[in-house]
Amino acid sequence: GIQVEQSPPDLILQEGANSTLRCNFSDSVNNLQWFHQNPWGQLINLFYIPSGTKQNGRLSATTVATERYSLLYISSSQTTDSGVYFCAVETTDSWGKLQFGAGTQVVVTP
Amino acid sequence: KAGVTQTPRYLIKTRGQQVTLSCSPISGHRSVSWYQQTPGQGLQFLFEYFSETQRNKGNFPGRFSGRQFSNSRSEMNVSTLELGDSALYLCASHLMGTDTQYFGPGTRLTVL
Repeated sequence: GIQVEQSPPDLILQEGANSTLRCNFSDSVNNLQWFHQNPWGQLINLFYIPSGTKQNGRLSATTVATERYSLLYISSSQTTDSGVYFCAVETTDSWGKLQFGAGTQVVVTP
Repeated sequence: KAGVTQTPRYLIKTRGQQVTLSCSPISGHRSVSWYQQTPGQGLQFLFEYFSETQRNKGNFPGRFSGRQFSNSRSEMNVSTLELGDSALYLCASHLMGTDTQYFGPGTRLTVL
């Protein structure tokens, strides 16, 4: 099956700093989503981005499908950005099955 | 629009018992996927249902089963619980196929 690798596994940031999270995947995908998991376990949708670039406030994401990677940018980080960020992909032969990466644990300190 | 709801939110069971978890998708969504999250294995896909039919299944033993009703609500059942079944169980709803999946708050199951 498809492999999804996220880096770095852990990230400690000072409030106001910028950061980039990376997601590499091993095969063609027709769905790629970025999620933020809050301390209560809720997975919050950030982006649906199988290709191209999107922005939402201080967050933006880029997926280069031909090179099989996606990047999530966090600018001017805030303490509320702390949590685990997951990348998840779906292939053409896997109905409704998201394959998740191991996540990046982000801690933003005041 | 109301989001995905899951009940119960917390559950404590003992080994050997069985459990049923429920998921109500976003109105109009016909597809429901289930996932298990544990510290050791991360987020793993259990199964997906669309219009009452299971279209996809992950690598879990037969003790894990599910179904979907005509109103798109879904249930999953775990029989003969084991300690290793302790996990956060998440369901996600989506319109029908390859599109954005929206997750519920999860059911945290503890097996003693």
